[in-house]
Amino acid sequence: DADVTQTPRNRITKTGKRIMLECSQTKGHDRMYWYRQDPGLGLQLIYYSFDVKDINKGEISDGYSVSRQAQAKFSLSLESAIPNQTALYFCATSDTRDFTDTQYFGPGTRLTVL
Amino acid sequence: AQSVTQPDIHITVSEGASLELRCNYSYGATPYLFWYVQSPGQGLQLLLKYFSGDTLVQGIKGFEAEFKRSQSSFNLRKPSVHWSDAAEYFCAVINRDNYGQNFVFGPGTRLSVLP
Repeated sequence: DADVTQTPRNRITKTGKRIMLECSQTKGHDRMYWYRQDPGLGLQLIYYSFDVKDINKGEISDGYSVSRQAQAKFSLSLESAIPNQTALYFCATSDTRDFTDTQYFGPGTRLTVL
Repeated sequence: AQSVTQPDIHITVSEGASLELRCNYSYGATPYLFWYVQSPGQGLQLLLKYFSGDTLVQGIKGFEAEFKRSQSSFNLRKPSVHWSDAAEYFCAVINRDNYGQNFVFGPGTRLSVLP
């Protein structure tokens, strides 16, 4: 079984709809991250959480919100989806005890907003 | 501002040929450096990382990378490419002297392999 899972893997929705992407991990890591990937731009950080009570904005947080329901679960919401939020979304985790802060990624969710 | 550049958007090599993917970063302090690979339809898999010590780092799948402080570079190499290496490769950097600093990713280099 994968250590970092994301649901759904693919989603097509319409402008204005509320969407939630979910991430779960069995690695026992305390840190979790949400990124979006657009062609030619690499990965951009949306939100990150260093523990259950700690939520921080990344470089492109506008239009997104997150919830850290438990150490193992970190959800990303698009309150009112718009077409330019069409992208590939990745969840990642890392361990505070790892001084290199190596991140481990889920398989991604492909979101299309029509 | 911290940045990571990968000058080559797309590289094509023949199977069996050698490969070098370039990565340059701009930081004041010594960073931690990473290479990830993303196969089609997959997430990112860690190939290797550098944090201290020997500047030549060995990774999985026969890849290696060399950290050159004077050139602010961390280039990825493989002596003989296999068709299964076709993928997108991302360089990433984190500033270890800045607690809470997050990864900065380069834009990626797409590798195509000719039979």
